[in-house]
Amino acid sequence: GESVGLHLPTLSVQEGDNSIINCAYSNSASDYFIWYKQESGKGPQFIIDIRSNMDKRQGQRVTVLLNKTVKHLSLQIAATQPGDSAVYFCAETPRGFNKFYFGSGTKLNVKP
Amino acid sequence: KAGVTQTPRYLIKTRGQQVTLSCSPISGHRSVSWYQQTPGQGLQFLFEYFSETQRNKGNFPGRFSGRQFSNSRSEMNVSTLELGDSALYLCASSLVATGDDTQYFGPGTRLTVL
Repeated sequence: GESVGLHLPTLSVQEGDNSIINCAYSNSASDYFIWYKQESGKGPQFIIDIRSNMDKRQGQRVTVLLNKTVKHLSLQIAATQPGDSAVYFCAETPRGFNKFYFGSGTKLNVKP
Repeated sequence: KAGVTQTPRYLIKTRGQQVTLSCSPISGHRSVSWYQQTPGQGLQFLFEYFSETQRNKGNFPGRFSGRQFSNSRSEMNVSTLELGDSALYLCASSLVATGDDTQYFGPGTRLTVL
């Protein structure tokens, strides 16, 4: 809906395929990272998080990878379902701060 | 446990007016953050409150202010509204105010300035 950017990059996948959403961050002091999912008309919903002392974390159907060398974060969704269609944001914050910086978002479109 | 609630959900104001938005955090959460979301700028941090004190602040003009009450509920106020203030205002709560604590968002208040 209107809660997301007009020119968001869009990833279109077929139902059942795996999805990979990428995010680049610029602050080398960022210590904690979160992926959020935002559906139309709703607030962002927590998906998975990772701290800077890890490079991979797995949840249910989701995996987050962190590459601190190139300041890159990715979200992998296995067996993507139509209900996964939404805008996905990465968010980062430096250690000791509760001030998150959000990426511009990626729109995931799952085709049945 | 109930999630973050925000009231009102929708609001229409005219330029020059002021507005107050309310946020009730998840029970037990003591930190409340506010964000502005627009199509052009995305999600931008406004400020964060913990124990009734503003701990972090974003790059917004002084027309944007907030406060937190002893029960952790928070309000934000925007004075002298401008057309560009039209946005979705999101509140997020977390248990403590450290940098490694998950923030949970409410549904937002959609503000339209005419």
